[in-house]
Amino acid sequence: GAVVSQHPSWVICKSGTSVKIECRSLDFQATTMFWYRQFPKQSLMLMATSNEGSKATYEQGVEKDKFLINHASLTLSTLTVTSAHPEDSSFYICSARFLAGGLATQYFGPGTRLTVL
Amino acid sequence: AQSVTQPDIHITVSEGASLELRCNYSYGATPYLFWYVQSPGQGLQLLLKYFSGDTLVQGIKGFEAEFKRSQSSFNLRKPSVHWSDAAEYFCAVGAREYGNKLVFGAGTILRVKS
Repeated sequence: GAVVSQHPSWVICKSGTSVKIECRSLDFQATTMFWYRQFPKQSLMLMATSNEGSKATYEQGVEKDKFLINHASLTLSTLTVTSAHPEDSSFYICSARFLAGGLATQYFGPGTRLTVL
Repeated sequence: AQSVTQPDIHITVSEGASLELRCNYSYGATPYLFWYVQSPGQGLQLLLKYFSGDTLVQGIKGFEAEFKRSQSSFNLRKPSVHWSDAAEYFCAVGAREYGNKLVFGAGTILRVKS
């Protein structure tokens, strides 16, 4: 149980285009999902908290107009990288919050490798 | 401020040897503690978690971790390492008071030599 999927697993796009990444909780409902970015040989950096039915909460320094987050259902959150540039190339990972007995555990998707040419 | 320290960037152990990965945290709330493992190009897999109760927790793949409040530590252990355990390991801390957001350590890369 507690499986999270991401799609696509990798994407290559041209500079200036937009890319959408989907994060799905497959066997549980998640009112909260998280989006992370991971640079090579580094730890995960939290970008934003995605809340079902409301606006996402962005971490300091993350451009909300560049990284659009939509959490339209209890099993799906999307991250759209708008007008992508080479510096946006990275590994993006989502997680979904699983609640049991009021205690929260984050389960992670397999990640999406974005390369902007 | 919340922080998590994994003092060892790299660790190399022989296959069959025991393993201990260190994790220390500084947190202003009652912490929830997690260990995740990441293989190259993959997402994170949950190994084990601690919320409360018994301070020695068992996880998947033969891993265990012990919460020591007095030392602010949550070290991960395995009695006998297998070559397939080679990966990067992340310690993470969260708390309800902080919206259940996780703070991650920098990670420890485990190499297993045969």
